[in-house]
Amino acid sequence: AQSVTQPDIHITVSEGASLELRCNYSYGATPYLFWYVQSPGQGLQLLLKYFSGDTLVQGIKGFEAEFKRSQSSFNLRKPSVHWSDAAEYFCAVGVSFGNEKLTFGTGTRLTIIP
Amino acid sequence: DVKVTQSSRYLVKRTGEKVFLECVQDMDHENMFWYRQDPGLGLRLIYFSYDVKMKEKGDIPEGYSVSREKKERFSLILESASTNQTSMYLCASSPTEPTWEQYFGPGTRLTVT
Repeated sequence: AQSVTQPDIHITVSEGASLELRCNYSYGATPYLFWYVQSPGQGLQLLLKYFSGDTLVQGIKGFEAEFKRSQSSFNLRKPSVHWSDAAEYFCAVGVSFGNEKLTFGTGTRLTIIP
Repeated sequence: DVKVTQSSRYLVKRTGEKVFLECVQDMDHENMFWYRQDPGLGLRLIYFSYDVKMKEKGDIPEGYSVSREKKERFSLILESASTNQTSMYLCASSPTEPTWEQYFGPGTRLTVT
């Protein structure tokens, strides 16, 4: 069965510093990969997605992610974080067994310090 | 913009009560989903629906049922609420293609006492 691992439960970063959130997946075929963000008290918002093609994908709010098949990873990056980036981030993999659905990781909570 | 609304942001119910959580989307999406979100467990799929009056079990359907009588509305039902169903419940919808591009509502935080 497919699975998604986000090894970091909580990350603290200074405002203006760079950010990388890790995501590893386990899936037999080519995965469809997603990053979602959940601001406090809100639902999830899609940041970016990878279906095929260029392995470096750009998303909203200045985020990007790189698909590395050899490492089964899809890490999220941002060159300079803002206080408003404080949120919980979820990586997800899309699988298809007749009915497509998403499998989510357990999330990484990002704290920004001034 | 796609809008997914959920009937309540916060809900407190007693053990044994029947609970209805309502979700409405305004983008004519075919697919709708119910998840529960718990700390350290991420989001887990309870039920989903690909069409009116159609439903499929997700990963944790026990203790829940759903109803989809109209395309825009998907209800989650707790037949007899228990304390272990205290959680955040998230509804989502998506178009037929791509199914995985899901749009989420703000969530309902349910407390069962």
